[in-house]
Amino acid sequence: NAGVTQTPKFQVLKTGQSMTLQCAQDMNHEYMSWYRQDPGMGLRLIHYSVGAGITDQGEVPNGYNVSRSTTEDFPLRLLSAAPSQTSVYFCASSRRTGAFNEKLFFGSGTQLSVL
Amino acid sequence: DQQVKQNSPSLSVQEGRISILNCDYTNSMFDYFLWYKKYPAEGPTFLISISSIKDKNEDGRFTVFLNKSAKHLSLHIVPSQPGDSAVYFCAAVAIQGAQKLVFGQGTRLTINP
Repeated sequence: NAGVTQTPKFQVLKTGQSMTLQCAQDMNHEYMSWYRQDPGMGLRLIHYSVGAGITDQGEVPNGYNVSRSTTEDFPLRLLSAAPSQTSVYFCASSRRTGAFNEKLFFGSGTQLSVL
Repeated sequence: DQQVKQNSPSLSVQEGRISILNCDYTNSMFDYFLWYKKYPAEGPTFLISISSIKDKNEDGRFTVFLNKSAKHLSLHIVPSQPGDSAVYFCAAVAIQGAQKLVFGQGTRLTINP
């Protein structure tokens, strides 16, 4: 049972480059989300999706795009990487939306450095 | 504005003793609270949760206490074990929040043998 799979695990970019962080889940979860973890800041929500074809912004969406064409996949796109986007990125999913007692399952993270 | 705060970046506890991790929140709309545990190079994993209709929830060695009037919750681990060494995140959500969890900064717990 793979759960939530994120690729790549590590990535180094130059300022201005673009890239896509991949996230896939095999639990048929409706809800998927992206968080970034920075020292002293905890986990902050970037974008989330409540189902295929539906996405919305979180707390820190600027500089990132998402799409949800299938239930399984939720890629995160960095349009023009900036040093401020150096962070550890986590994808998460859960079974239902609006059911606040549904816990999130997290991937193992992508460590991104922007030079 | 940090809506969920964990004011202790780190905590060191002797094996076998009690570990107490604290969390404060400012948004009175939060009505469900969760604790996640994170090991290095892994994603956070769910540990325990509590609804605002309760003031205590227990699961084995882990107990979460909620004081709504003080907007404060705490996680107690008794007895503490070396495998408990990890970063612990407190998180909160409002019923209207559609799973938009708000996380604290995390507390690094170290259990010393």
